[in-house]
Amino acid sequence: QQPVQSPQAVILREGEDAVINCSSSKALYSVHWYRQKHGEAPVFLMILLKGGEQKGHDKISASFNEKKQQSSLYLTASQLSYSGTYFCGTEFYNQGGKLIFGQGTELSVKP
Amino acid sequence: DAGITQSPRHKVTETGTPVTLRCHQTENHRYMYWYRQDPGHGLRLIHYSYGVKDTDKGEVSDGYSVSRSKTEDFLLTLESATSSQTSVYFCAISGASGETTQETQYFGPGTRLLVL
Repeated sequence: QQPVQSPQAVILREGEDAVINCSSSKALYSVHWYRQKHGEAPVFLMILLKGGEQKGHDKISASFNEKKQQSSLYLTASQLSYSGTYFCGTEFYNQGGKLIFGQGTELSVKP
Repeated sequence: DAGITQSPRHKVTETGTPVTLRCHQTENHRYMYWYRQDPGHGLRLIHYSYGVKDTDKGEVSDGYSVSRSKTEDFLLTLESATSSQTSVYFCAISGASGETTQETQYFGPGTRLLVL
C-alpha cells in the first residue's frame, strides 16, 4: 500500500524546474506533501483532496489526478532552499486520517 | 512551530532494556502519532491516538506500546529494545481544537535511538 515516488533522487541547477510523482495502487482520499531537510523534522507543504484540484505554495505547486491515483509536485525556478527530501503521504478512504508515506525523493539544488 | 517537543532527543540503550519516549504538545490537538524513519523506508506509522486513552495500531506496531493519559502527552514504550528498533522516532499531531477533521500533521523534532 506504500505509494511509489519517482524519481528517487534528482539534481538541479538553481532556476531549473522539477516534477516529483507519487503513485498509489489504491483509491486515494487525499495526498499530503512534506519536505524534510537533513537532520530536521518533516515540514508540511500542502494537501491535495480528491477532485483534481491544484494548489500552490510560493513557486511550489501540486496536482491530484484522481483517475490515475497520482499526485505530482511541481517545483518551478528552483532555489537552493528547495534542497531536501520530499515525501508524499497518502490517505485512503475510511482510514481515519492515517497517512502512508512514500519512500521519499531527494532533491539537490546546486548553484 | 506547532508546539511539539520530544524527549529525550538522543538515547543509547542496550538490547533487552525498556525504553520510553515522550511526546508533549501545547496545542491541544486531538490526534497524536508515532512514526519511525529508516533509510529507504520513509516514515512508517507505529501507533496513533485519537483522544485521551484512545489509541490504535499503525503498520509497524510489533514490539511497541503507547499510552495517552492526558491530551498533551503521548508515550511510546519499547518493552524490550532490539537492534532492529534503532531508528529516528518522530511524533506528530493534528486536529486543531474545534476542528473535526484531522488534516495537516505537524512533526516534532525527533528522537534518535541507538540500541546496542
